[in-house]
Amino acid sequence: DAGVIQSPRHEVTEMGQEVTLRCKPISGHDYLFWYRQTMMQGLELLVYFNNKAVMDDSGMPKDRFSAKMPNASFSTLKIQPSEPRDSAVYFCASSLSVRYEQYFGPGTRLTVT
Amino acid sequence: AQTVTQSQPEMSVQEAETVTLSCTYDTSESDYYLFWYKQPPSRQMILVIRQEAYKQQNATENRFSVNFQKAAKSFSLKISDSQLGDAAMYFCAYLMEYGNKLVFGAGTILRVKS
Repeated sequence: DAGVIQSPRHEVTEMGQEVTLRCKPISGHDYLFWYRQTMMQGLELLVYFNNKAVMDDSGMPKDRFSAKMPNASFSTLKIQPSEPRDSAVYFCASSLSVRYEQYFGPGTRLTVT
Repeated sequence: AQTVTQSQPEMSVQEAETVTLSCTYDTSESDYYLFWYKQPPSRQMILVIRQEAYKQQNATENRFSVNFQKAAKSFSLKISDSQLGDAAMYFCAYLMEYGNKLVFGAGTILRVKS
């Protein structure tokens, strides 16, 4: 199994630009999660999907962030417009079911200048 | 709300020795899951071990074992025969029985000395 795949691995952009992060979960996993990791806040859950439907997006700043899962094998996290405070590592994770562990992708390091 | 506390920001261990990383959590639930994740410098989050709260037996995965004390809400990770490759940030995490929100601790940096 290829594991959770994320792209790009690194992204550097200027403030105000649109950024799109991509994720391919492990095949057969019904749950997909987007996390953000910063030194100050640690690991925070932004949003998660179950069978492509958003289940909880309470951790996501909705004025500039949007998450979609158009099919079972692909999800995007979009930031528009990006701000320097969005600089972080963004992880995508997937799991088989509620009671199962989450498997993480390699993360995308985002730098907004 | 559930919280997870890792009171040791940093730990050091000599190669081949044993080290224990501490984790406590706060919850009013009786059924839940606990995990230890490892994050090496590559930043990949790697699952180390998992414990179901309803199981009294402590989980073990090769050199990694846990000491799960449900009443004390404690979940420590013991690494035996430490290797240089064990050097990483270790996160303790809590998952509610019917929830999908992994709640992470702040992490413990483990340094392994040769």
